[in-house]
Amino acid sequence: SQQGEEDPQALSIQEGENATMNCSYKTSINNLQWYRQNSGRGLVHLILIRSNEREKHSGRLRVTLDTSKKSSSLLITASRAADTASYFCATSDLYNFNKFYFGSGTKLNVKP
Amino acid sequence: DVKVTQSSRYLVKRTGEKVFLECVQDMDHENMFWYRQDPGLGLRLIYFSYDVKMKEKGDIPEGYSVSREKKERFSLILESASTNQTSMYLCASSPPDRDHTEAFFGQGTRLTVV
Repeated sequence: SQQGEEDPQALSIQEGENATMNCSYKTSINNLQWYRQNSGRGLVHLILIRSNEREKHSGRLRVTLDTSKKSSSLLITASRAADTASYFCATSDLYNFNKFYFGSGTKLNVKP
Repeated sequence: DVKVTQSSRYLVKRTGEKVFLECVQDMDHENMFWYRQDPGLGLRLIYFSYDVKMKEKGDIPEGYSVSREKKERFSLILESASTNQTSMYLCASSPPDRDHTEAFFGQGTRLTVV
């Protein structure tokens, strides 16, 4: 399986703190994406980073990518209770970029 | 607003029944996916379609088949439902764009096989 792994599986923090989630994957990629899932719902795309990029920002989100270690991290700064959700990384395969493989997810709980 | 619509939010079926899960997208996307989501296992790809009548197996195709007769519709078929197919099923679509590719998801179908 090409599925990635997120770490930690669960994370609980106070509002205002930063949250960092990590993702490791197995194969060569075209890009890596992060998604968010509110409880029992579909996933929503957050941010995409290409294989030739090392860092990307979008609002309170910061994503890094290290292709030599086959890993990525998602940082959410100044977290809010509304950030409570599960977060998944997904990789787009280098040789078949139309196909996405998802990790197992990190469940984030932000306490007010 | 872009939309991927799954026909049911909740479904209860009996063991041995043939089950159809329907997914429709209104974005004219070439690519469509069916994933299964189980606690601790994340999303696992069942089948992928990159064009009408074209399909490719994912990681866990056993016990499932798919149909894509029209570009906007991608159906997942459980030929003979079993209790181990109780799960959340997620449909997604995406355009064939190497640089800006992004998957759009439906709201999910929670299937219980009894």
